[in-house]
Amino acid sequence: QSALTQPASVSGSPGQSITISCTGTSSDVGGYNYVSWYQQHPGKAPKLMIYDVSNRPSGVSNRFSGSKSGNTASLTISGLQAEDEADYYCSSYTSSSTPVFGGGTKLTVL
Amino acid sequence: EVQLVQSGAEVKKPGESLKISCKGSGYSFTSYWIGWVRQMPGKGLEWMGIIYPGDSDTRYSPSFQGQVTISADKSISTAYLQWSSLKASDTAMYYCARRLGYFVDYWGQGTLVTVSS
Repeated sequence: QSALTQPASVSGSPGQSITISCTGTSSDVGGYNYVSWYQQHPGKAPKLMIYDVSNRPSGVSNRFSGSKSGNTASLTISGLQAEDEADYYCSSYTSSSTPVFGGGTKLTVL
Repeated sequence: EVQLVQSGAEVKKPGESLKISCKGSGYSFTSYWIGWVRQMPGKGLEWMGIIYPGDSDTRYSPSFQGQVTISADKSISTAYLQWSSLKASDTAMYYCARRLGYFVDYWGQGTLVTVSS
């Protein structure tokens, strides 16, 4: 059970859009519509941003959206804001019944 | 209000044992899976395992099988993560997390475990 693959870092200017990818296999991302995304600011607990590939919890800005194609899921943040600067992690259910995280992506707002 | 409150920071020596806790409140503790997540200093999140307090069904991620023990006492709405013999490499922040469906909707505040001689 290997960690899902995310880019180590992405960056964008305020107002721009960025996309973070999360690549797995048919045993996790590709096999189930159970991908979730978490935002983590330094020294804080993670926060749920997207669940079940593309659903947004109550209270999360509609600037955050999720999608999936094959074995790769994506998180898109539109209209970047300074407060979006954080680490982002994807997670997927797996065929072994235990979930797995991606390695994490550091988002820098320029 | 749903809350997961974890026990406080620990400083231990290699070889010592440790049990940290996560107390749930504001919901039916026996009806949701609780997971444990490790975050080593400057590193990413890692699922360690999950437990269903209702019947103590426990699943471990392969990397953590045999390394830790996850348990729960439903009478006091508390989940546990324990080590029998700590190593320096166990130094990390540990989060408990409530699983709703196949995602985490609530997190504990984290317990920092430092293992050093």
